[in-house]
Amino acid sequence: DAGVTQSPTHLIKTRGQQVTLRCSPKSGHDTVSWYQQALGQGPQFIFQYYEEEERQRGNFPDRFSGHQFPNYSSELNVNALLLGDSALYLCASRLQGVETQYFGPGTRLLVL
Amino acid sequence: AQSVTQLGSHVSVSEGALVLLRCNYSSSVPPYLFWYVQYPNQGLQLLLKYTSAATLVKGINGFEAEFKKSETSFHLTKPSAHMSDAAEYFCAVTPAGSSNTGKLIFGQGTTLQVKP
Repeated sequence: DAGVTQSPTHLIKTRGQQVTLRCSPKSGHDTVSWYQQALGQGPQFIFQYYEEEERQRGNFPDRFSGHQFPNYSSELNVNALLLGDSALYLCASRLQGVETQYFGPGTRLLVL
Repeated sequence: AQSVTQLGSHVSVSEGALVLLRCNYSSSVPPYLFWYVQYPNQGLQLLLKYTSAATLVKGINGFEAEFKKSETSFHLTKPSAHMSDAAEYFCAVTPAGSSNTGKLIFGQGTTLQVKP
């Protein structure tokens, strides 16, 4: 049973560029959430997708957007990258109605 | 707004000693409480969760946590530390309210060091 997978594992971008991160949920899960974890801090909730719609959003600017596909996989897009966007981006999945979330290994983004 | 405070950013114990990692949440009772562990360069692994069924919750790897409403605490313990327990530990809550379902609020984390 495959867990949550994310790609790529590492990414280096320069300021002003755009980036797309991908996530495949755990088998049987239909809800995907994204978190940003800056160095030395706890993860911060970005948004959650269910039935291909954004259902909840944290305190992140519109530069952060996402998408969920019919197979429940998801993408996180960040436009106009800033140095402060450098972080580990974590994807978590769950089954709607069940609170427990399972996390992927993350994508480490470095913005230069 | 719901918040989580983990007291002590670094905790150091000797192998075989008791592990105690502290977590306090803000006063409104959250429906769910979690402890996650993060090993270097990895994602988060669920250790245990509280869902109001029982105040003492047992998790994986010998960890357990006790929900104390009067103290607004959910401290994580393990009777005997092992070298493999060295990692970052995060306490998290799901804010009350159906609109917050699935949204986790994390503490700042506690790094556990285990000395031989």
